[in-house]
Parts: sequence; C-alpha cells; structure tokens
Amino acid sequence: AQRVTQPEKLLSVFKGAPVELKCNYSYSGSPELFWYVQYSRQRLQLLLRHISRESIKGFTADLNKGETSFHLKKPFAQEEDSAMYYCALSGRGGDDKIIFGKGTRLHILP
Amino acid sequence: NAGVTQTPKFRILKIGQSMTLQCAQDMNHNYMYWYRQDPGMGLKLIYYSVGAGITDKGEVPNGYNVSRSTTEDFPLRLELAAPSQTSVYFCASSYSGARGSSGNTIYFGEGSWLTVV
Repeated sequence: AQRVTQPEKLLSVFKGAPVELKCNYSYSGSPELFWYVQYSRQRLQLLLRHISRESIKGFTADLNKGETSFHLKKPFAQEEDSAMYYCALSGRGGDDKIIFGKGTRLHILP
Repeated sequence: NAGVTQTPKFRILKIGQSMTLQCAQDMNHNYMYWYRQDPGMGLKLIYYSVGAGITDKGEVPNGYNVSRSTTEDFPLRLELAAPSQTSVYFCASSYSGARGSSGNTIYFGEGSWLTVV
C-alpha cells in the first residue's frame, strides 16, 4: 500500500542553522515524490518535485530509493521558511492518486 | 487563470444543518480531492474522484457526501453538521498521466473555513 510518513510533527530550528525535514515512503513501484508548503493562512503550493532535481528557495530534496526517503534540506534556515511542509507521493501508471504525509510544522527561531 | 475555485470562503453552521461546499476547476483535470485540515494539524483526505461519475472514500468520509457529474465540479455535502466538522476544507485537482515539466502536480483551492456551533 502507498504510504508517506513524516515522523516529525514539529521541528524548531534556529535562524541560520541547517534544516532537514524527513519523509519516508512506501510504494511498490517507482513513485513521483513532491514537497508542498503551506504558509500561514494560505493554500498549499508546490515547493519542488524530485524529477525536476531543482533547488527552490534554497531547499533541495534527493530521492533515495534504497532508503525509500525524500528528505527536504536547506543549509541555512531563514525566518520566512516557517510554514507547514507536506511530503507527497504519486504513483505511476494506472493509479496516479496523490497522497500526502501528515505534515511537519517548521518553526524558525530568531 | 482561475485554477481551483472554492465557495464559500467562510461559513458558520448550526448543529444539524446541512450545506454544500462548491469546488470547480478549469484545468481539465481528471482527479479531484477534498481534504480537511483541523487547526494545527495535517491534511486528511475525505473523498476523491478519478473522473466524472467516479468517486472514492478517503481517510475520513463519515458525515460527508460527494458527487462528480462533470469534470469541472466536485461539490462536498455535509449532512447533519456536527462540531467535529469544524475545520478548513481544501479542494484540489490534478491531471493523471501528465508528465514532463508540470508532471502530476496537485493544485489547491484557497480553502473554506467552516465552523459548526
């Protein structure tokens, strides 16, 4: 069964410190992985996708198929990074339904 | 360039009342979803649809109903509202099979804040 696990509900990090938001997944094939972000009182929006291999707002995420992980990283946290972050998975082929993890609230301390 | 549109944005209901949250998308997406987000919590999938005429239960379907008579619209109906349904509701859509630069990206509406008193 498809599953996305974000083990941390809340992560507090000092400004300027590195950030790592964990995401592990369970899927029998080769999924597509995403990170979505929700700033205060706004709608969710796409942050990045693994197939794009891009860096957005200083964030990167590498798909590790061996560990079935897609952790989100940023070397130096900024106060504007405070938000709710969701890891998401989409299957390929017949079942493309997107499922989300429970989310991790990132709080950047001044 | 509307994307996913939800109405109403805010609503207060009395216990036992019914209402429908409207959702429309103009991107010709086949997948549509309804999520709820309780204060300080993550998303929970209520119902989803893979195309017109097809709906499936998500994680928390009790107390809700949906229909998908057209590709564009996916209304969510609350029957006999209860205080436990106080939440923010998000509608979303995505296009299955779209690969390349946009891929299978999901687009969200702005949310509907519902309070049941």
